[in-house]
Amino acid sequence: GENVEQHPSTLSVQEGDSAVIKCTYSDSASNYFPWYKQELGKGPQLIIDIRSNVGEKKDQRIAVTLNKTAKHFSLHITETQPEDSAVYFCAASMGTGFQKLVFGTGTRLLVSP
Amino acid sequence: DAGITQSPRHKVTETGTPVTLRCHQTENHRYMYWYRQDPGHGLRLIHYSYGVKDTDKGEVSDGYSVSRSKTEDFLLTLESATSSQTSVYFCAISESGGNQPQHFGDGTRLSIL
Repeated sequence: GENVEQHPSTLSVQEGDSAVIKCTYSDSASNYFPWYKQELGKGPQLIIDIRSNVGEKKDQRIAVTLNKTAKHFSLHITETQPEDSAVYFCAASMGTGFQKLVFGTGTRLLVSP
Repeated sequence: DAGITQSPRHKVTETGTPVTLRCHQTENHRYMYWYRQDPGHGLRLIHYSYGVKDTDKGEVSDGYSVSRSKTEDFLLTLESATSSQTSVYFCAISESGGNQPQHFGDGTRLSIL
């Protein structure tokens, strides 16, 4: 079936450390992979995305890598700060005809000062 | 932030009553989506719209209907609410199809007693 698995479900790091969140997807035809950050009481906010014709993309302290052969992609956050604490969701586009986003189950990241 | 307003932000109602949630956008985007968010499930697509009066089902559409009479408004209706529909509901918009960046509202927390 169409699914995205996300790990870990919770991640605790010290301020300044790096954090890595990993996702695997089931549909080899998926071509769009966004990452969202959700703070308490807010909607998910798009922080970075990558398409299947690119292996890596960076934006300041965050980066996403994609391995199409293995069907997995990862979010990397360097020099973490307390304000990075939130729930992060990965997603992958799936389906024939209209491609919809299928989301992972989320990772709660806690950055301690 | 994308101009997306969801109303109401919170609602408590009883089993068997009808409920309508509203999503209003000021971005003139063609696509609009309704998701529900539940612990352990991430975000799941209920219905989406690809234009005025054009809608289709997502993966968890049973018990829900939608309408889009204007580009800017997308309504989600629970004809006869059940306790299993207690959830946080998010609206999202995108300029074009599902494999394009989607931007989310801040959600409606719905409790059905």
